[in-house]
Amino acid sequence: DVKVTQSSRYLVKRTGEKVFLECVQDMDHENMFWYRQDPGLGLRLIYFSYDVKMKEKGDIPEGYSVSREKKERFSLILESASTNQTSMYLCASSSPQGSSYEQYFGPGTRLTVT
Amino acid sequence: GNSVTQMEGPVTLSEEAFLTINCTYTATGYPSLFWYVQYPGEGLQLLLKATKADDKGSNKGFEATYRKETTSFHLEKGSVQVSDSAVYFCALLKAAGNKLTFGGGTRVLVKP
Repeated sequence: DVKVTQSSRYLVKRTGEKVFLECVQDMDHENMFWYRQDPGLGLRLIYFSYDVKMKEKGDIPEGYSVSREKKERFSLILESASTNQTSMYLCASSSPQGSSYEQYFGPGTRLTVT
Repeated sequence: GNSVTQMEGPVTLSEEAFLTINCTYTATGYPSLFWYVQYPGEGLQLLLKATKADDKGSNKGFEATYRKETTSFHLEKGSVQVSDSAVYFCALLKAAGNKLTFGGGTRVLVKP
């Protein structure tokens, strides 16, 4: 089974702190994604990566950056956390092989910024 | 651009009731369509998918048919269980793309 793991289930940080959210997948997938999930807004794509050291902005990249130094690991960085970044963060991975492009999701990290 | 609209919840049902969650989309070309489910405290899981017009996706008693003429992909289940309580997301993947566009999610609560 594909497994996508995220470093923390719950995280509480203070305004202005630098925050790292880590995601690891074990299926050798090329594509990795970071979303945030907010009530009524569904999932919104922050950044995605289709290869090591490659990244593309999603729909809401402001205030975030990412790093992909190894194929299995994709990090989301909040340079200076703000209260409006309190949210559920979901990581996903997929492979362009085959036709389904199914995305596999991690369990999520609920981040609270106080 | 691409967009997905699904009915707002919460939807509250009794066990064994019929469930329908409406989903309509706007997209150019011929996207693939998905339903994902998120159980409490978990990430999203793919429930079913359809890749072309008139395809029917099915899984765990759920069904959805890709209707190009009405740009819809409504989710149905004939007899829900308490264990079906979850948030359901409709999503599309544009042809030759690798990014999903999600609807806002519909929370379903099934009471015994």
